[in-house]
Amino acid sequence: SQQGEEDPQALSIQEGENATMNCSYKTSINNLQWYRQNSGRGLVHLILIRSNEREKHSGRLRVTLDTSKKSSSLLITASRAADTASYFCATDANDYKLSFGAGTTVTVRA
Amino acid sequence: NAGVTQTPKFQVLKTGQSMTLQCAQDMNHNSMYWYRQDPGMGLRLIYYSASEGTTDKGEVPNGYNVSRLNKREFSLRLESAAPSQTSVYFCASSDPSAGGQNIQYFGAGTRLSVL
Repeated sequence: SQQGEEDPQALSIQEGENATMNCSYKTSINNLQWYRQNSGRGLVHLILIRSNEREKHSGRLRVTLDTSKKSSSLLITASRAADTASYFCATDANDYKLSFGAGTTVTVRA
Repeated sequence: NAGVTQTPKFQVLKTGQSMTLQCAQDMNHNSMYWYRQDPGMGLRLIYYSASEGTTDKGEVPNGYNVSRLNKREFSLRLESAAPSQTSVYFCASSDPSAGGQNIQYFGAGTRLSVL
């Protein structure tokens, strides 16, 4: 069964606004990753946060991790039309496998 | 540098037909994976190969077989296709031994329809 669950399932925002999506998971992890998938394409790795980290930044992306609540959030600041995509969290339990959530579909309106 | 290459990109099969999906990576990664993606369900792991010479079942292995032909190539075979196997299939590769981070690199996918 899937480990991660994203919330919300879909999000529509205006260009320039921030987008926030959340991920909850069930078991202990080594790290948590976020991936982006543009329509009709494969997934692309965005950012990884280790279990001993609480926050990480990469460009316009900010990821937080709360291991006590088994949850993570991804914030995209100053969104652009090119950010329109589906975003997936994936948990790594250090067993060669990743477990993906069902994803959040983000639409950025011009 | 092509990364992960999947062939074919599209395929239509009739129920009961067989086919093999091919995947090759040029990043010298040890681990390779096959996923299927269905609407609203994210990615589900079918089979994976942690290293050359080994393969293991994932979450949804029934109806599939795999072969890790060499370090570069990992194929997925449907012996007798069923409509329930209509999906988008993704191959991925990674090197979990690199800093303990299993960052995966994905191919563009194979869109399979079984009629």
